[in-house]
Parts: sequence; structure tokens; C-alpha cells
Amino acid sequence: QKEVEQNSGPLSVPEGAIASLNCTYSDRVSQSFFWYRQYSGKSPELIMSIYSNGDKEDGRFTAQLNKASQYVSLLIRDSQPSDSATYLCAVIPNTGNQFYFGTGTSLTVIP
Amino acid sequence: DGGITQSPKYLFRKEGQNVTLSCEQNLNHDAMYWYRQDPGQGLRLIYYSQIVNDFQKGDIAEGYSVSREKKESFPLTVTSAQKNPTAFYLCASSTGGGGYEQYFGPGTRLTVT
Repeated sequence: QKEVEQNSGPLSVPEGAIASLNCTYSDRVSQSFFWYRQYSGKSPELIMSIYSNGDKEDGRFTAQLNKASQYVSLLIRDSQPSDSATYLCAVIPNTGNQFYFGTGTSLTVIP
Repeated sequence: DGGITQSPKYLFRKEGQNVTLSCEQNLNHDAMYWYRQDPGQGLRLIYYSQIVNDFQKGDIAEGYSVSREKKESFPLTVTSAQKNPTAFYLCASSTGGGGYEQYFGPGTRLTVT
């Protein structure tokens, strides 16, 4: 079983809509969760980190963590064409210091 | 400007040759990491280092070697023993070894023919 799983997509949303990206993880006691955005041919850039159950908002982005159900999601409000990218979920299991990345979800925002 | 630099951006080598990828950071971060990314796949950890003169193998260390002689630098050597070296290589750093956000350099795209 993979440590971190994401729907590879592609996910398409119209401009101005809410994009919802989901990630599940296998280690029940994982404590640290991260969302990265990666444009084609570029390196990942950190969007948000979340450590506690509930929602964390930063501008148009909201991360949601539910440890009981072992999922973390990212909502992008008022989606823009510039949000078109691959979104990577990363988790640090409780067993160590290593990040485990999902394979990413490709998002396309249609003008 | 603080950040992570990787050089070169593109690298071409013949099969059987060793090649060293550079990674430098001026963020004063203690921990540094090397990942490999293949098309359609997530990032896979090659090696990481939490302090100078110490490093640990990641999930796919075979065919790679690293050194950490200075806090700022964490070069990766891709040896001829690595069976499929063509990939996008990413270096990252963080303030601490665990639970801390990692920040990535721009990456080196290595092609071996």
C-alpha cells in the first residue's frame, strides 16, 4: 500500500470555480501534511502546511485535515488559469523524518 | 537573496560516466535532501542529511552517492551503477529534520544516452 495516494486527474474546473484536491495517507499517526504546486518543467513550491485537524486558510487556499479519516484536502477558491498545475500532497509519517509524496493531481482551470 | 541553487539546469552524459549534481543553499538550513522525479511519478527520496558529515539513505539510494562536508552544500553523484539515471533531480532543504517544511531548488534535468 502506498503511503500517500492522490487521484491523478486531470481535474478541470472553470475559471472562478472552487477546485477540490484530495489526498489519503496510510500511516494513522502521521502528524505533518503539506501541499505543493508544481508547474510543468519546474520544481515544487510549497503552498501550505497543516498539522492539526480542521481547516487552515491562506488567501484563496484552504487546507483541510481529518486525521480520523486519514485524508487531507486542498480547496482553491476563485480558481484562475494561473492555478493550472500539478498539486502534490506530502506526508511525514510518525515513524521518521522522511517526506512521502503522492503522484500529484493535475489541475486545469478553463478560462 | 536567500534560496537554493542547483546547477546545471540541464546535463547530458554518456552511459557509463559518473556525474555530480550541485546543490547549494544560503538559508542556514540544517537538513538537505535529494529527490528524483520521473514522468507521472511522485518524488522519491534518494539521500538526506540532517547535519554536516552525516547522511542517510532514502528509498532509492542504489547507484547514488552524496557528501555533506559543509552546511551549505550537498552534492549528489550519479554513478554508472545507476541503471536508469535519466530523470529530473530535485534538491530541497529544511530548518530541521522532521516535521518541517521543505523548500526546493530549481532542479537539474539529467539525460544519459
